[in-house]
Amino acid sequence: AQRVTQPEKLLSVFKGAPVELKCNYSYSGSPELFWYVQYSRQRLQLLLRHISRESIKGFTADLNKGETSFHLKKPFAQEEDSAMYYCALTRIGAGNMLTFGGGTRLMVKP
Amino acid sequence: GAGVSQSPSNKVTEKGKDVELRCDPISGHTALYWYRQSLGQGLEFLIYFQGNSAPDKSGLPSDRFSAERTGGSVSTLTIQRTQQEDSAVYLCASSSTGGYHSGNTIYFGEGSWLTVV
Repeated sequence: AQRVTQPEKLLSVFKGAPVELKCNYSYSGSPELFWYVQYSRQRLQLLLRHISRESIKGFTADLNKGETSFHLKKPFAQEEDSAMYYCALTRIGAGNMLTFGGGTRLMVKP
Repeated sequence: GAGVSQSPSNKVTEKGKDVELRCDPISGHTALYWYRQSLGQGLEFLIYFQGNSAPDKSGLPSDRFSAERTGGSVSTLTIQRTQQEDSAVYLCASSSTGGYHSGNTIYFGEGSWLTVV
């Protein structure tokens, strides 16, 4: 069975500081991993996916199959980055169905 | 429509009553998903539809929960004899296809906030 773990429920940093939101997964197949973000009073939305190898809003995430990790990083946090972040994994045989981690609340202080 | 639409946005119901939550996916999206977001529990998968079929119902927490989808579009999640632990945000999502590694994005609705008192 697949599982996604986000060890930190809350991460608090100051504006301009680097940010790393941790995500570890367990999955026997070849995974596709995502980061979703939910800003206050807004719907859950896709931030980035590992296959795209893109940087969105300054965030990047590298899939490390050896460590089974997909940590989300940003070199300089902004106040508007404050939100709930969810790491997610696809599951074979159920389309694009996502298994989510428990989420990490990022608070960026001025 | 422009996005996934859910109704009602808020529902307060008495314990023991039945509730129905509705989801209108993005037009043309064949895959539809229901998730539950409970306080402190993260996002929990409930059920997945491909067209009108539900190949994966593994996440439904009990037989009080059921869902259907008609015409390959609108879906209804029904909770019978609601309990206080059913209080949560019920999220619906859709995507254009259900293919694995298809690269398609899943789009979420704003959710239906259910409170059972």
